[in-house]
Amino acid sequence: EPEVTQTPSHQVTQMGQEVILRCVPISNHLYFYWYRQILGQKVEFLVSFYNNEISEKSEIFDDQFSVERPDGSNFTLKIRSTKLEDSAMYFCASSESLREKLFFGSGTQLSVL
Amino acid sequence: GENVEQHPSTLSVQEGDSAVIKCTYSDSASNYFPWYKQELGKRPQLIIDIRSNVGEKKDQRIAVTLNKTAKHFSLHITETQPEDSAVYFCAASHSSGGSYIPTFGRGTSLIVHP
Repeated sequence: EPEVTQTPSHQVTQMGQEVILRCVPISNHLYFYWYRQILGQKVEFLVSFYNNEISEKSEIFDDQFSVERPDGSNFTLKIRSTKLEDSAMYFCASSESLREKLFFGSGTQLSVL
Repeated sequence: GENVEQHPSTLSVQEGDSAVIKCTYSDSASNYFPWYKQELGKRPQLIIDIRSNVGEKKDQRIAVTLNKTAKHFSLHITETQPEDSAVYFCAASHSSGGSYIPTFGRGTSLIVHP
């Protein structure tokens, strides 16, 4: 079965630094998402992306966050100035169409020190 | 926005017993309800889903029921096995600006004792 891939698997950064989390969605999928999961808590929606633009974002997704699809395969999440509370597992997901199941990547564990 | 409540937070059963996890949602416009299983340190993976035009769906030992009037849906696992031990998340998808955004519950940690 095709998979969503994410890199890196772990990222450690200093508070205030910029990080870029990378994702390669499944090739024929059209809808892309970023979620995060703080340890032991629920999976929280950050942003959805379709047709090269953000289609929906949560209140967590403030001006410090941005997403980009720089080419036909990658989908990135950038955090401009990381805060301690940004420490979490970040999951990328994609789906073939609306109201279809999400395929999650294996996640990037971000630790902000 | 949508709010999904999930209970219980932890469920401990003996192998062979049944397990039931319940979720409620707030947005009556939600019409797609997936369930994801997340094993320790791994990605969430879909195990079953149900759409609002049906009340029940079954796949081997797993079944999901949906009551649209009451806005709740449940996951039923029969003849539980140790490999069923994981965190299970329910989700409800609502439409927002042309997107369907799954909102997740807090998760249920299922422990199946051999």
